[in-house]
Amino acid sequence: QKEVEQNSGPLSVPEGAIASLNCTYSDRVSQSFFWYRQYSGKSPELIMSIYSNGDKEDGRFTAQLNKASQYVSLLIRDSQPSDSATYLCAVSLSNSGYALNFGKGTSLLVTP
Amino acid sequence: KAGVTQTPRYLIKTRGQQVTLSCSPISGHRSVSWYQQTPGQGLQFLFEYFSETQRNKGNFPGRFSGRQFSNSRSEMNVSTLELGDSALYLCASSPAQGGETQYFGPGTRLLVL
Repeated sequence: QKEVEQNSGPLSVPEGAIASLNCTYSDRVSQSFFWYRQYSGKSPELIMSIYSNGDKEDGRFTAQLNKASQYVSLLIRDSQPSDSATYLCAVSLSNSGYALNFGKGTSLLVTP
Repeated sequence: KAGVTQTPRYLIKTRGQQVTLSCSPISGHRSVSWYQQTPGQGLQFLFEYFSETQRNKGNFPGRFSGRQFSNSRSEMNVSTLELGDSALYLCASSPAQGGETQYFGPGTRLLVL
């Protein structure tokens, strides 16, 4: 069984702080990694994708990938109350096509 | 460009019935994936269709099936509904031309009584 593990939270951070979200995966052959954000009652929306070891930055978001440790993380700088949501880590299930294995998500609460 | 649309948005069925859900992908997108989301299990992959062919399949029983039409629209069917099938069913489409960005629709919330 291929697993994607996330701490369910809630993770509470004050406004303006850095939020750090972590994810581990079990399938060593996975090549593609994604972070989605899901607001309550809404569908997931893609924040970041990362395919190579190292860091990838996009605005206030930085994704980090370490394939040797099978670890993916998402940093949110200058956290805002509007960032309060559930963050889902997803790992590709197949080398062909678009099939994702999702973690159960980490609930983030940014307090004013 | 219009996003992914799913119909119906809400559905109530009873055990033993069957249900068909529909998904229209973003124009030009050829890949459609289906996911089931429940509070206990989270988001789980059901299957993916590309050019009318099932390309990937998750670990769901045969009661769950799908198909894709030549215009890329997709349907999924669940037969002999069980209480545990109550969930949010999400459809996602991808351009299938490099990159793997999936764009999710609003979902169909199914309640089985």
